[in-house]
Amino acid sequence: DADVTQTPRNRITKTGKRIMLECSQTKGHDRMYWYRQDPGLGLRLIYYSFDVKDINKGEISDGYSVSRQAQAKFSLSLESAIPNQTALYFCATSDFGLAGVNEQFFGPGTRLTVL
Amino acid sequence: KQEVTQIPAALSVPEGENLVLNCSFTDSAIYNLQWFRQDPGKGLTSLLLIQSSQREQTSGRLNASLDKSSGRSTLYIAASQPGDSATYLCAVGSGRDDKIIFGKGTRLHILP
Repeated sequence: DADVTQTPRNRITKTGKRIMLECSQTKGHDRMYWYRQDPGLGLRLIYYSFDVKDINKGEISDGYSVSRQAQAKFSLSLESAIPNQTALYFCATSDFGLAGVNEQFFGPGTRLTVL
Repeated sequence: KQEVTQIPAALSVPEGENLVLNCSFTDSAIYNLQWFRQDPGKGLTSLLLIQSSQREQTSGRLNASLDKSSGRSTLYIAASQPGDSATYLCAVGSGRDDKIIFGKGTRLHILP
């Protein structure tokens, strides 16, 4: 079973709709991240959370919100989707652990299309 | 502000050749550097992670090096195979509690 899962894997929606993307992990990591990937722009950080009570804005948080429901769950919401939010969205986790490594592990991605 | 650059953006080489992918960063005060592989439309797979105190890491045919003072890392792939075709991204962590910054990747195509 995958360590980091994302649902849905594909979603097509219309402008103005509210969308939630969900991420779950079984790695036991404290840190979770949401990125979006666009052709030519690379990966950009939307929000990140170092634990359930610690949520931080990333590079491009406008138009997005997040909720860390539990250590294992981190969801991303688009309150009113717009076409330029069409992208590939990735969830990732990391954990310093005893070695202080902070290696990131990624989910399979959600392809979101906003018409 | 940390910036991460990967040049070239795309590379094609014949099967069997050894090759080097480059990653440069502007702020040498990094915590770690991670190399990923991404197949089209798929997620990122971690290949190697180098801590700031390390000079290199190896896994199979892959070797990643880190030179903090010059702001550079290289990913060496030995005896390339068509299955190595993918986009390779490097990502720099600048601090224990800081964000991780990604390069835009090098799209590698191994010609059979």
